[in-house]
Amino acid sequence: IAGITQAPTSQILAAGRRMTLRCTQDMRHNAMYWYRQDLGLGLRLIHYSNTAGTTGKGEVPDGYSVSRANTDDFPLTLASAVPSQTSVYFCASSDSSGTSQYFGPGTRLTVL
Amino acid sequence: QQQVKQSPQSLIVQKGGIPIINCAYENTAFDYFPWYQQFPGKGPALLIAIRPDVSEKKEGRFTISFNKSAKQFSLHIMDSQPGDSATYFCAASSPSSGGAGSYQLTFGKGTKLSVIP
Repeated sequence: IAGITQAPTSQILAAGRRMTLRCTQDMRHNAMYWYRQDLGLGLRLIHYSNTAGTTGKGEVPDGYSVSRANTDDFPLTLASAVPSQTSVYFCASSDSSGTSQYFGPGTRLTVL
Repeated sequence: QQQVKQSPQSLIVQKGGIPIINCAYENTAFDYFPWYQQFPGKGPALLIAIRPDVSEKKEGRFTISFNKSAKQFSLHIMDSQPGDSATYFCAASSPSSGGAGSYQLTFGKGTKLSVIP
């Protein structure tokens, strides 16, 4: 099935714990993105990657890290989760034109 | 600094009505303006998009109107249906600082549309 998969679907996490959100795409897109969605704030870019081996910071990168070892996978890591990181996280990818971004189904994360 | 301002936050229309959602932007480097539709529990999906060299684009019942001088664009949904009930996001993009081939999207805060039968 073509598209983007994210795991887990949802997670409850204790503050201070480390967590990695997984994202895999099978469209061979070069660019990938991580967003967080919070009520009333819309979607905000956390990190992005133009191509395998490169990453960049978005609007709200603090507390998050990413890696891009290959084209298909783009994991997002919270090294030490805090309650303000409670959110819905979306992974997205785009082709070489960069204009149309395709989103995954999201991960709902609750940090207590 | 909010670079894309979207209004209204919520909108209720009767079936068959024409909801209009407005967005304004500040950054003149933006060169691509997509609209996304999001249903509850799902990720956003690209609905329609426009570039600043045209003033209007239609795809089915969805129309984008674009005013470059005013730095504003809007989404119109003709003959709206209950199935159109969703949250709509406008966005604007420009080439990322990381290099060519990757565009960063700046989103508006969203409009929750409810179409009542």
